[in-house]
Amino acid sequence: GQSLEQPSEVTAVEGAIVQINCTYQTSGFYGLSWYQQHDGGAPTFLSYNALDGLEETGRFSSFLSRSDSYGYLLLQELQMKDSASYFCAAERMNRDDKIIFGKGTRLHILP
Amino acid sequence: DAEITQSPRHKITETGRQVTLACHQTWNHNNMFWYRQDLGHGLRLIHYSYGVQDTNKGEVSDGYSVSRSNTEDLPLTLESAASSQTSVYFCASSELRGNEQFFGPGTRLTVL
Repeated sequence: GQSLEQPSEVTAVEGAIVQINCTYQTSGFYGLSWYQQHDGGAPTFLSYNALDGLEETGRFSSFLSRSDSYGYLLLQELQMKDSASYFCAAERMNRDDKIIFGKGTRLHILP
Repeated sequence: DAEITQSPRHKITETGRQVTLACHQTWNHNNMFWYRQDLGHGLRLIHYSYGVQDTNKGEVSDGYSVSRSNTEDLPLTLESAASSQTSVYFCASSELRGNEQFFGPGTRLTVL
């Protein structure tokens, strides 16, 4: 089968750094995306990795290792507004391309 | 500004009724998607379309249908609503396959 695994919850302190991991098992893997979703809101796009390595966008960075079927989202200088759920999503490059989402990681930030 | 809208935002219906959820985007994106989100399951793909007259089944397509008659709209129809279809439904669109999807605000559907 195909799946993405990420921790259900992570807790960190305001101002700190936190890493949210995502491992995937899917055929025809092409790239990994990350989305943020606040309670009651819609998912919003954060980053996308198609190649191995680190992509940096402000306080957020995302990493992909295709050989390890693994990626992570790194959030630096945590702010209270970063309290949200974070989803990894795998893009599959098949005849019928599909997107598969992980179940999400709830990030709790302590003051 | 370009946007993606969904209507209604909330809907209560009865088992067995046909329900249609609207999705309209002004990004002029070819790719549009419907997801449902339930606690413990994350986002699951229902149907998707890569252009006018193109529709494809996703992971959880049973009991749902879509049609794509123009670029802007992808309505989702529940042929005969079931209580298991109580969920929050999100529509999304993207310019490139798989990359950066823009999500609508969601529709909360309750089937009694």
